[in-house]
Amino acid sequence: DSGVTQTPKHLITATGQRVTLRCSPRSGDLSVYWYQQSLDQGLQFLIQYYNGEERAKGNILERFSAQQFPDLHSELNLSSLELGDSALYFCASSASDREQFFGPGTRLTVL
Amino acid sequence: QQPVQSPQAVILREGEDAVINCSSSKALYSVHWYRQKHGEAPVFLMILLKGGEQKGHEKISASFNEKKQQSSLYLTASQLSYSGTYFCGTEGDNYGQNFVFGPGTRLSVLP
Repeated sequence: DSGVTQTPKHLITATGQRVTLRCSPRSGDLSVYWYQQSLDQGLQFLIQYYNGEERAKGNILERFSAQQFPDLHSELNLSSLELGDSALYFCASSASDREQFFGPGTRLTVL
Repeated sequence: QQPVQSPQAVILREGEDAVINCSSSKALYSVHWYRQKHGEAPVFLMILLKGGEQKGHEKISASFNEKKQQSSLYLTASQLSYSGTYFCGTEGDNYGQNFVFGPGTRLSVLP
């Protein structure tokens, strides 16, 4: 158990819909990262937050957005969903921008 | 820019050694190594920093050649539990450069 929690574990929705994925980092970790992993694909970095502020942005679509709240939990919002958005979404947290601890992931299925 | 990993896949017998390489076209500050087993979240193995030394445990170690922007992961006397996909992640040498994972190397250790 990495100490990072993600909810929900599974999410099934329809095209065009909007969903919110939630991540609670390890206690004390200020950095949160979001990754997308499609079937048998690598990990695509989406975005990083550090203590509530956006620190780095990767290949995140305009339909996607994220934020980190004062209690350090983070949410990833995915809107106007398409079939191609079906993937495993991981959140990771880090205390020092070094070792990242990954949550169990949220599996999103868009039908 | 995504680092390149080689080989893409490797099959070993228990007790054999393996080397996984990771290279980048950009100057790097750090290289991270993670292992992901099927259906699970990635797990941190080690990090190598610019100017740092080779790191590792008894049977899993890694090196970082700063001049060539290359890192290698060495797995000695492999065990069945080593099976999984190994990802290297790189952090650029310039402020604000994103953390990027390589495409992964699938390692299968057979009895």
